[in-house]
Amino acid sequence: DADVTQTPRNRITKTGKRIMLECSQTKGHDRMYWYRQDPGLGLRLIYYSFDVKDINKGEISDGYSVSRQAQAKFSLSLESAIPNQTALYFCATSGTGETQYFGPGTRLLVL
Amino acid sequence: RKEVEQDPGPFNVPEGATVAFNCTYSNSASQSFFWYRQDCRKEPKLLMSVYSSGNEDGRFTAQLNRASQYISLLIRDSKLSDSATYLCVVPRGRTDKLIFGTGTRLQVFP
Repeated sequence: DADVTQTPRNRITKTGKRIMLECSQTKGHDRMYWYRQDPGLGLRLIYYSFDVKDINKGEISDGYSVSRQAQAKFSLSLESAIPNQTALYFCATSGTGETQYFGPGTRLLVL
Repeated sequence: RKEVEQDPGPFNVPEGATVAFNCTYSNSASQSFFWYRQDCRKEPKLLMSVYSSGNEDGRFTAQLNRASQYISLLIRDSKLSDSATYLCVVPRGRTDKLIFGTGTRLQVFP
């Protein structure tokens, strides 16, 4: 089984809909991250969490919210999806001071 | 200057060739550096970490030049399976937040 899983893997939604992307990990890491990737822009950090009670905004948090339900689970919500949130979303985890391990990604299309 | 800057490529090279990518970074406080590999529409995966002047792993060599603030990745004896995008990754100062370059695309042809 994969160490970092994301659901759904693909999602098509309409403008204004609320959607949630979920991430689970079995690596036992405390730190979890959400990124989005757009062509030509690289990976950009949306939110990150260093433990269950810690939530921090990244560089592009507007329009997103997160919830850290447990050490192993970190979900990303789009309260009211808009077309420019169409992107590839990655969840990642890390131990203290270590590199990050990524989930397989969620392809989101907002019409 | 961008925080992390890479030549986007693509680099098209024949099998067996040696190819090198450079990456420049702006934050002189960064202590560790990473190269990730990303296949088309898949997740990035760690290729190499660089903590001092350089690191070598088989056909792959990463070098760090702190004075000029750049890191390089050298791939010797290129294989078809090396075709991918290579991401240069630099921590933002003394934090665990990573800044990703936009990547350099490599295409190895027969």
